[in-house]
Amino acid sequence: EAGVAQSPRYKIIEKRQSVAFWCNPISGHATLYWYQQILGQGPKLLIQFQNNGVVDDSQLPKDRFSAERLKGVDSTLKIQPAKLEDSAVYLCASSASGNQPQHFGDGTRLSIL
Amino acid sequence: SQQGEEDPQALSIQEGENATMNCSYKTSINNLQWYRQNSGRGLVHLILIRSNEREKHSGRLRVTLDTSKKSSSLLITASRAADTASYFCAPGFKTIFGAGTRLFVKA
Repeated sequence: EAGVAQSPRYKIIEKRQSVAFWCNPISGHATLYWYQQILGQGPKLLIQFQNNGVVDDSQLPKDRFSAERLKGVDSTLKIQPAKLEDSAVYLCASSASGNQPQHFGDGTRLSIL
Repeated sequence: SQQGEEDPQALSIQEGENATMNCSYKTSINNLQWYRQNSGRGLVHLILIRSNEREKHSGRLRVTLDTSKKSSSLLITASRAADTASYFCAPGFKTIFGAGTRLFVKA
């Protein structure tokens, strides 16, 4: 089966600009996760979707971050405006359900200048 | 949700040696998972052990779970350079990832 696809692989922007990341989960996976991973740390959950509904977005900085999962398949994560501290790798993961192991994409490495 | 705490933070061994890393957690769980992350890549699910299992094997991996001590260990036997990665434990499916154990296997 094809894995979780993410794009772009790398992105460099200046602070206060906006950026968007795209994720295509494994076909049929109902649960989709977005994580932020800062260098040297473990992934931090930003938002979890079950189909196209939000299950958990308690750690999402909603003043600047937004995410959507249209039609319960692909998902986009947006940052507007970006801050220096947003420099990180953004990982997308999917699972068949919220009670199954997660499959991760290789992430988007975001650098803020 | 709860966080797994991996120990040690870093581990450096020679190729062919065994590597052991540990995980502790705070509240009861139904299962515990281990993930690996190679540099520049996403996490890869390695193994899941259920709360009614004490030990599980997968290839060169051996995982133990002690629910009374709320701890788990991951043993990688006959380590290879390709095992160089960060390893994370995940207590339950609703988990908060810790900082992981960074394993470096010297050729």
